[in-house]
Amino acid sequence: DAKTTQPNSMESNEEEPVHLPCNHSTISGTDYIHWYRQLPSQGPEYVIHGLTSNVNNRMASLAIAEDRKSSTLILHRATLRDAAVYYCILRGYMNRDDKIIFGKGTRLHILP
Amino acid sequence: EAQVTQNPRYLITVTGKKLTVTCSQNMNHEYMSWYRQDPGLGLRQIYYSMNVEVTDKGDVPEGYKVSRKEKRNFPLILESPSPNQTSLYFCASSLIGVAGGQETQYFGPGTRLLVL
Repeated sequence: DAKTTQPNSMESNEEEPVHLPCNHSTISGTDYIHWYRQLPSQGPEYVIHGLTSNVNNRMASLAIAEDRKSSTLILHRATLRDAAVYYCILRGYMNRDDKIIFGKGTRLHILP
Repeated sequence: EAQVTQNPRYLITVTGKKLTVTCSQNMNHEYMSWYRQDPGLGLRQIYYSMNVEVTDKGDVPEGYKVSRKEKRNFPLILESPSPNQTSLYFCASSLIGVAGGQETQYFGPGTRLLVL
């Protein structure tokens, strides 16, 4: 079963901020929250990750709820090139049972 | 350049004809993984490997085999392909850090397989 749930699709206008939500109600204390995106005809690429505190990098920001049961990927100013499928996944401490479950992700449409 | 390579990129085959998709990474990563991607089903993990000679099943391992004889290579083997294995396949790799959980996965470009 998927450990995270995301909306199937979202739309946003170009140059507007985008907030992509992810629920992970069964997250454990050692799980990091990772976000990847997959542009058309490409493999997934890393966007950002965090544990408890909000994180910023050149691509996006990650806001993590205080109880860690949800998080939000924030694209501050969407461009047409941000149209992609965005995946939220959990990664815990590596052990022999460390499967990675991607789920279906959120397809983000950017309107010009 | 740090990268994950897959070969072939495109493959058309017939039912029952054994095939191997190769995956290689040049980043000295311990963790390697295979995924398949199908419309409406997202990315699903087939097999993963924590290091040389250590492999484990993902969510959809049936009909696939893997091996990890060298750290850089992680081939995916379909002993007797069937049409339901027609899919887009991705290989990925990452480090396994001491703290765990923070490692970024690097994905290959994908292999599109059609089984007739």
